[in-house]
Amino acid sequence: DADVTQTPRNRITKTGKRIMLECSQTKGHDRMYWYRQDPGLGLRLIYYSFDVKDINKGEISDGYSVSRQAQAKFSLSLESAIPNQTALYFCATRDGGTEQFFGPGTRLTVL
Amino acid sequence: GDSVTQMEGPVTLSEEAFLTINCTYTATGYPSLFWYVQYPGEGLQLLLKATKADDKGSNKGFEATYRKETTSFHLEKGSVQVSDSAVYFCALSDSGGYQKVTFGTGTKLQVIP
Repeated sequence: DADVTQTPRNRITKTGKRIMLECSQTKGHDRMYWYRQDPGLGLRLIYYSFDVKDINKGEISDGYSVSRQAQAKFSLSLESAIPNQTALYFCATRDGGTEQFFGPGTRLTVL
Repeated sequence: GDSVTQMEGPVTLSEEAFLTINCTYTATGYPSLFWYVQYPGEGLQLLLKATKADDKGSNKGFEATYRKETTSFHLEKGSVQVSDSAVYFCALSDSGGYQKVTFGTGTKLQVIP
């Protein structure tokens, strides 16, 4: 079984809809991250959390919110989706070391 | 702030050719440096890393050396295979408390038989 899972894997939605992307991990890591990937832009950090009570904005947090329900779960919400939020979204975890462990990604399309 | 610059792709090589993907960085302090690989339809996986100047990271025939004097971490492989076709990301982790990771834009490699 995968250590970092994301649901859904693919989602098509309409402008203005509320969307939640979920991430779960079995690695026991405290640190969790949400990134978006766009062609030619690499990965950009949306939010990160170092434990359930520690949530921080990344470089592109506008239009997004997160919830850290438990050590193992970190959800990303788009309160009112817009087309330029169409992207590939990745969740990642990290222990006290330097390596990040990525989920398989969620491809989101906003029409 | 920190930044990572890597060569634009796509890079197309024949099987058994030599690969270099250039990566330079800007950072304060003493960052750790990484190469991640993303195969089609998958998330990123750590390929190799180096945590201090002059360290060489290596894995699966790939190598990169942390050059502080030139602020570079170029990825090399002596003989690529079709299975190496993927997108490669250079990244750095700063030395601050949050160890924020900054990624480059990625370089797509296509290896043809």
